[in-house]
Amino acid sequence: NAGVTQTPKFQVLKTGQSMTLQCAQDMNHEYMSWYRQDPGMGLRLIHYSVGAGITDQGEVPNGYNVSRSTTEDFPLRLLSAAPSQTSVYFCASSSLGQGALGYTFGSGTRLTVV
Amino acid sequence: AQSVTQLDSQVPVFEEAPVELRCNYSSSVSVYLFWYVQYPNQGLQLLLKYLSGSTLVKGINGFEAEFNKSQTSFHLRKPSVHISDTAEYFCAVSESNRDDKIIFGKGTRLHILP
Repeated sequence: NAGVTQTPKFQVLKTGQSMTLQCAQDMNHEYMSWYRQDPGMGLRLIHYSVGAGITDQGEVPNGYNVSRSTTEDFPLRLLSAAPSQTSVYFCASSSLGQGALGYTFGSGTRLTVV
Repeated sequence: AQSVTQLDSQVPVFEEAPVELRCNYSSSVSVYLFWYVQYPNQGLQLLLKYLSGSTLVKGINGFEAEFNKSQTSFHLRKPSVHISDTAEYFCAVSESNRDDKIIFGKGTRLHILP
């Protein structure tokens, strides 16, 4: 089924460990973004990309890195995990200039840092 | 920059009763407005959107919302809720000339009481 695929669905990390959250879409969407969702905070934008080779920071970028080498993939890297990064992470995509049609969201990655 | 305020973090309502979830926004430019729904343990789905034209927009599952420019509001309504409407609802806004960057409110959790 076409859509946004996030892996893994669940992950537990120890403080200081690194990992990459994967996001892939098969809709040829130019725009991709990462959000984190915390109780009572809604969704906060971490990083976004308007195409391969182009990324930019969102509202809460510290502690996270991204790259966009292909249109399909937009991985999110945690270089040194901290308990404050415990959250649910969502990847979203849309056609550039057609964000008004609405984003397509992945099903999320629940990350716990201990 | 634009922002979104959802005035209620939780709304309890009896089954088959009407409900209104409130959303106010601020922006110095024209905007697009959205409501997304998140069912338990799932990603977000687009419920409805206002781009232009008629201020009353209808979405999926019997929901509707009214854009009020003078009050900078975009409240979501449903005349009769069902237990299956139990979810968290997010209001979101984007600048109409930058529809690829959407800002989300903090969410309203709708509790349906039997």
